[in-house]
Amino acid sequence: DQQVKQNSPSLSVQEGRISILNCDYTNSMFDYFLWYKKYPAEGPTFLISISSIKDKNEDGRFTVFLNKSAKHLSLHIVPSQPGDSAVYFCAAKGFGNEKLTFGTGTRLTIIP
Amino acid sequence: DGGITQSPKYLFRKEGQNVTLSCEQNLNHDAMYWYRQDPGQGLRLIYYSQIVNDFQKGDIAEGYSVSREKKESFPLTVTSAQKNPTAFYLCASSKGREETQYFGPGTRLLVL
Repeated sequence: DQQVKQNSPSLSVQEGRISILNCDYTNSMFDYFLWYKKYPAEGPTFLISISSIKDKNEDGRFTVFLNKSAKHLSLHIVPSQPGDSAVYFCAAKGFGNEKLTFGTGTRLTIIP
Repeated sequence: DGGITQSPKYLFRKEGQNVTLSCEQNLNHDAMYWYRQDPGQGLRLIYYSQIVNDFQKGDIAEGYSVSREKKESFPLTVTSAQKNPTAFYLCASSKGREETQYFGPGTRLLVL
């Protein structure tokens, strides 16, 4: 049972344009969401997070939006840069629960 | 310069052999985690530990064992009972049980 889903395995975006990565979840007990970026043969790097009490969190070029009613979150990267090419994982956890549940990842390719 | 280190970067296991993957952190984090990543899949939790001398099974603990004798160290043993050990293993740590998890660089385990 995949509780966190990233339905797009890959995404290609022109350099300078906006990249939008999507994530859906099914568990209504999730209340904290994170995005990680991963290069091949390296560990994931934490990018940005959002609590369920917010619907938006911004950090530089990265913005995460949360739609609790739709159980959907998205990561916007603008402007996209070649160094953004990586696999992006969405993760979620419930209140008082230390366990993270990860999606299967989306491979983002930025085209110069 | 704080961080999480994992060694070795690559590890080869023979049939019937136990192997131990090292994870060390100097971030003074209380919680530590082990994940496994397979191609095209998200990260799956093997074991986690919130405090020294205590640890809990994750979603796929069968065939693995851990110890937490020191706050900064959380080694993972892949036993001969793990029939499909080939994967990328990631260690993570967090300040507390509900804090953001930060990852090490990973160890790739291959079976000879």
